[in-house]
Amino acid sequence: KQEVTQIPAALSVPEGENLVLNCSFTDSAIYNLQWFRQDPGKGLTSLLLIQSSQREQTSGRLNASLDKSSGRSTLYIAASQPGDSATYLCAVMGGGATNKLIFGTGTLLAVQP
Amino acid sequence: DVKVTQSSRYLVKRTGEKVFLECVQDMDHENMFWYRQDPGLGLRLIYFSYDVKMKEKGDIPEGYSVSREKKERFSLILESASTNQTSMYLCASSFGSTGQSPLHFGNGTRLTVT
Repeated sequence: KQEVTQIPAALSVPEGENLVLNCSFTDSAIYNLQWFRQDPGKGLTSLLLIQSSQREQTSGRLNASLDKSSGRSTLYIAASQPGDSATYLCAVMGGGATNKLIFGTGTLLAVQP
Repeated sequence: DVKVTQSSRYLVKRTGEKVFLECVQDMDHENMFWYRQDPGLGLRLIYFSYDVKMKEKGDIPEGYSVSREKKERFSLILESASTNQTSMYLCASSFGSTGQSPLHFGNGTRLTVT
């Protein structure tokens, strides 16, 4: 059974710092991995989607990498801003279970001004 | 931009009531999903649908049913609400198959069952 883990559960950094959020998964047979952002009391916003054949995706200050063989993904945020404060979740879509995403429990990020 | 709209932001219902949660998407997406989100447990899939009148059980379907009569609308039904169904419910949609597109989520419905 696929399990997704995100460490740390919470992270606080000063504004301007570059940071890395980690995601690991137990079964490497995945279709894709997605990173989401969730603001308090709101739904999830899709940030990046990496297909299983890709190594990384970039959007603005965000860069996500995928290493299927080791079951790891990282989300790199450059030059963090207070507006980046949110919970970040990763999710994997597993082989053999199309369209079903398995979510990690997220990393709560606080960027201090 | 894709818009996924959930009809209520907050609901308070009594134990035993039949509860309907409605979700509408405006981008002609084939796939629609219902998740619940609980502290410490993350998001868990209740049901999903990949076409009109089609439905598939997710990981925690017990106590729930769904209806998809039109492509844009996916309803979650709590047949007899119980206190352990107090949660944040999130609807999502996507197009294509095998993970071609990201999921787009609504803003959620926070349901309290008393």
